[in-house]
Amino acid sequence: DTEVTQTPKHLVMGMTNKKSLKCEQHMGHRAMYWYKQKAKKPPELMFVYSYEKLSINESVPSRFSPECPNSSLLNLHLHALQPEDSALYLCASSQRDGGLAGAQGAKNIQYFGAGTRLSVL
Amino acid sequence: GDSVTQMEGPVTLSEEAFLTINCTYTATGYPSLFWYVQYPGEGLQLLLKATKADDKGSNKGFEATYRKETTSFHLEKGSVQVSDSAVYFCALRGGSYIPTFGRGTSLIVHP
Repeated sequence: DTEVTQTPKHLVMGMTNKKSLKCEQHMGHRAMYWYKQKAKKPPELMFVYSYEKLSINESVPSRFSPECPNSSLLNLHLHALQPEDSALYLCASSQRDGGLAGAQGAKNIQYFGAGTRLSVL
Repeated sequence: GDSVTQMEGPVTLSEEAFLTINCTYTATGYPSLFWYVQYPGEGLQLLLKATKADDKGSNKGFEATYRKETTSFHLEKGSVQVSDSAVYFCALRGGSYIPTFGRGTSLIVHP
């Protein structure tokens, strides 16, 4: 099973709403990621969790609040978003260690969910 | 730091044409290299990978060879189909477990 499941698939919210995006994986991966992707652009890294601890925050505004309740789940809590936050939000997971090339290369694979298409009105 | 450079798109081809999407990289050490594909309205799917020099990744008729001497990982397919229309991202992972993505190349295949 190489599946990363994201819910919901689509979300429309007003600027005063509070909502959450959810991500789940059962591959035993200990690194999980949130990305934001605008149309026709590559994914932009937002947050990285490593062993359930936040290890990277790419200067993301505080209206985005990540949470990793356990090793299989990753949430992104949204509050007071702006219309420019409308985008596709992607979750991904991988084994924690970058590893070396060759035999350990399989550890380097990052698996993505299908994303949540967010529209902020 | 690490970087990935992809050819600009869109690449527009007729069905059954030969496809090449260029990708070059800059990294220290021995990164692993990947191609991801994103179909309209969907997330990224791993298409193929190569973990060391001269490795060839292949999947669904697509191929790419890890060329350390030219720091390249060009994506090729001998005969494209309309269903291959998507955005293709070249990516690498070096010593850090955080990947670096190219800008993406849009492929449009006409019947």
